[in-house]
Formats: sequence, structure tokens, C-alpha cells
Amino acid sequence: GENVEQHPSTLSVQEGDSAVIKCTYSDSASNYFPWYKQELGKRPQLIIDIRSNVGEKKDQRIAVTLNKTAKHFSLHITETQPEDSAVYFCAASSSRDNYGQNFVFGPGTRLSVLP
Amino acid sequence: DTGVSQNPRHKITKRGQNVTFRCDPISEHNRLYWYRQTLGQGPEFLTYFQNEAQLEKSRLLSDRFSAERPKGSFSTLEIQRTEQGDSAMYLCASSRGVAYPFEETQYFGPGTRLLVL
Repeated sequence: GENVEQHPSTLSVQEGDSAVIKCTYSDSASNYFPWYKQELGKRPQLIIDIRSNVGEKKDQRIAVTLNKTAKHFSLHITETQPEDSAVYFCAASSSRDNYGQNFVFGPGTRLSVLP
Repeated sequence: DTGVSQNPRHKITKRGQNVTFRCDPISEHNRLYWYRQTLGQGPEFLTYFQNEAQLEKSRLLSDRFSAERPKGSFSTLEIQRTEQGDSAMYLCASSRGVAYPFEETQYFGPGTRLLVL
């Protein structure tokens, strides 16, 4: 089955700097890659996602890149702010079975943005 | 509130007791998922419904766990004879369930935090 690895496990950056989180996956059939942000005690919230037919997607300060050949994708946050501090999870899924998909999540990255 | 809701938000029980959690998905969503999350880990898939049909179950879902979605709307997750290892956050998510392509956003509920003493 699918296996998703995520690095680093913790990341501290100064406010205004950029943060990059990388994930690798094992199943070449995976074709959907969402990123979730989870603040302490709260539900995971989708921040951006990418499908396998594109290589990059951007939404204001957040971008995701996908390299299907190498089976890795990355989250980029520019101009970080203290409110970006949270745990970020990547996930991978495939929809080959015509019954929707379940996500396989990475272990998470705890991002701390220092003022 | 039109988001996914879960009840109760917290549950403390003694080992060996049965517990039941409820999830109400976003109203127009056909697909409903249950995940378990332990501290410092990402959510782990447990089971998934398309309307009232339970289509997939993880190996993580032992026979002490059962999930239902009888009318294709809300879902319940029951754990029988709870063990201390069942202590975790149980998350529910829902998605629209459109036809191909199936890559679609899952929206999570706030979770039910279970503590088994």
C-alpha cells in the first residue's frame, strides 16, 4: 500500500522567512495530494491541494510543487507569519478503484514561526 | 454551521466499556470517512462510506470496531470492550462524492477525543 514520508518533523523559521516541507510517496498510482494545517486542538484544515496533471499550484503565500517521476511533492510558505505556526500534514491518494479514495497521511511537520 | 460535526467532543471511559461516536457530514456530501489520530501522528484511515454502503475498512479496524451509516447521512463508530490503546482522537471527514475524477477534498470534523482509563 501507499507510504508517505514527510520531512522535517519540526521546523523553526524567523517571521518573514520562507518554509519548505517535503513529502515522498511510494504508490505511483497516487494522483491527488492535499496539504492540511492543524492547529493545536483543532480539526485539520485543507490549505492547498494538487492533482497529478499539474506540476505546481500557488495560492497567495502558499505553493505546492509535484514531481511525479521522483514521487515527491513540497509545500512552500513565503513571508511566514506567527499565525502560520501549526502542524502541517501532507497526504496522497489514488482513485483507481472508482470508489473514491482514502488518504494516506504523512507524520506531520511542526512549524514554528518566531517573531 | 454547515461544516462536519462530531459528538461527543470528549469521552472518558473505563477499559472494557463500549463507546459510540457520532458524525454528521456536510449535508450534500455522499462520502464519509473515519480516521484515528494519535499524538504526534497524522490521521490514519479506518473506514469509508459511499452513501450507506461501507466500501472499505482498514486492517486497523479490529472486530471490536463497527461503523454504520444507516440512512446515508450521519454515521456512528462504536468501539466495544475498549482498551487503553484505543485512546486517540477519532476524526470524521466527508466529501462530495462526484463522479470521476474522484480526487476531491475531504473536510474534517473537530474530532472526538477518547481516553480509556
